[in-house]
Amino acid sequence: KNEVEQSPQNLTAQEGEFITINCSYSVGISALHWLQQHPGGGIVSLFMLSSGKKKHGRLIATINIQEKHSSLHITASHPRDSAVYICAGGGYSGAGSYQLTFGKGTKLSVIP
Amino acid sequence: KAGVTQTPRYLIKTRGQQVTLSCSPISGHRSVSWYQQTPGQGLQFLFEYFSETQRNKGNFPGRFSGRQFSNSRSEMNVSTLELGDSALYLCASSLVGQGALTNEKLFFGSGTQLSVL
Repeated sequence: KNEVEQSPQNLTAQEGEFITINCSYSVGISALHWLQQHPGGGIVSLFMLSSGKKKHGRLIATINIQEKHSSLHITASHPRDSAVYICAGGGYSGAGSYQLTFGKGTKLSVIP
Repeated sequence: KAGVTQTPRYLIKTRGQQVTLSCSPISGHRSVSWYQQTPGQGLQFLFEYFSETQRNKGNFPGRFSGRQFSNSRSEMNVSTLELGDSALYLCASSLVGQGALTNEKLFFGSGTQLSVL
């Protein structure tokens, strides 16, 4: 059974701070998604990673395949970054079905 | 370019009824996947359709089913509703989908909030 663990569960930061959210995943996972969910439910896909590092604006995502670990960094955080961040691992289940397994999410609050 | 559209936005049903939810993917996207989100279990994968065929399936009972039409629009059906089926149901679309292991992002709809009374 594929598993994804995220930390921390909750994170409060002052505006301008550098933020890191961590995600560890199990052996069967070969691709890692980072998602952002705002109140009201809408989900935006930020990154999809199978190796290396990706950057988009103030967001950076890295993945270490050997250690089965990924991080999402936010530089110069802003109150509009306040949301729940979810990592999700893509891989094949024991039944041979490709599916996403989700972490519990990190609720980020950025205070002005 | 229109995003992923889910209808209806909210739905209230009673136990034992059935419900059908609709998802229209981004034009050109052939893969549609469905997810259930609850406060207790978080997000869970239901199933994925590609070219009118269910390609991948999560660990949900047979009361949860779906289909995909030739225009890639997808419907999800839940029969014999239970209180525990109350959840936000999300669909997502992508060009060729999860099974291809490409570097594709998923594009999510706003979801259907289902309440079972």
